[in-house]
Amino acid sequence: EPEVTQTPSHQVTQMGQEVILRCVPISNHLYFYWYRQILGQKVEFLVSFYNNEISEKSEIFDDQFSVERPDGSNFTLKIRSTKLEDSAMYFCASVEVSGANVLTFGAGSRLTVL
Amino acid sequence: DAKTTQPNSMESNEEEPVHLPCNHSTISGTDYIHWYRQLPSQGPEYVIHGLTSNVNNRMASLAIAEDRKSSTLILHRATLRDAAVYYCTLGGGGFKTIFGAGTRLFVKA
Repeated sequence: EPEVTQTPSHQVTQMGQEVILRCVPISNHLYFYWYRQILGQKVEFLVSFYNNEISEKSEIFDDQFSVERPDGSNFTLKIRSTKLEDSAMYFCASVEVSGANVLTFGAGSRLTVL
Repeated sequence: DAKTTQPNSMESNEEEPVHLPCNHSTISGTDYIHWYRQLPSQGPEYVIHGLTSNVNNRMASLAIAEDRKSSTLILHRATLRDAAVYYCTLGGGGFKTIFGAGTRLFVKA
């Protein structure tokens, strides 16, 4: 069964450093999303991406965050200057078509900011 | 954003059916009802979705009220592996899906 692949599975970084989290969505999917989940809390929407541009973003997704689809397969989330409160699991998801909008999630990338 | 309301937790015995309720009184006519679950230390996983009619798949059944203001996810025979947080969400059309706190299902052997 096709799956969404995320790398790295775990990244430890120092506060203030830049981090790039990578995702390979399912190949025929058109909509891409990033969510995050702080330990013990709910899954929070960050951003959605369609047709090579951001379609929606949350208040969490401030100027420190950016997304990119640099080629036909990767979808990246960049955090320019990490803060302690950015420590969380980051999940990538993709959707094939927009009708029912069924999300397929990756296994997540755990980010630890020290 | 359309909201859903679920009980914080539920408990079931293994091999028994489980009915997980969800209220979504502000659902719009175009919103699909989705259920996802999150096993410990994993990402959310799709379970089932529907629009107006009841739905069955290999994982579960979804019963949707006639007025669409509530739905119930039915696990026909709970197993220990079904212990997870179950999320009822509304969405469609490429728009964001918002997750609430979900229902934590405990399954007793």
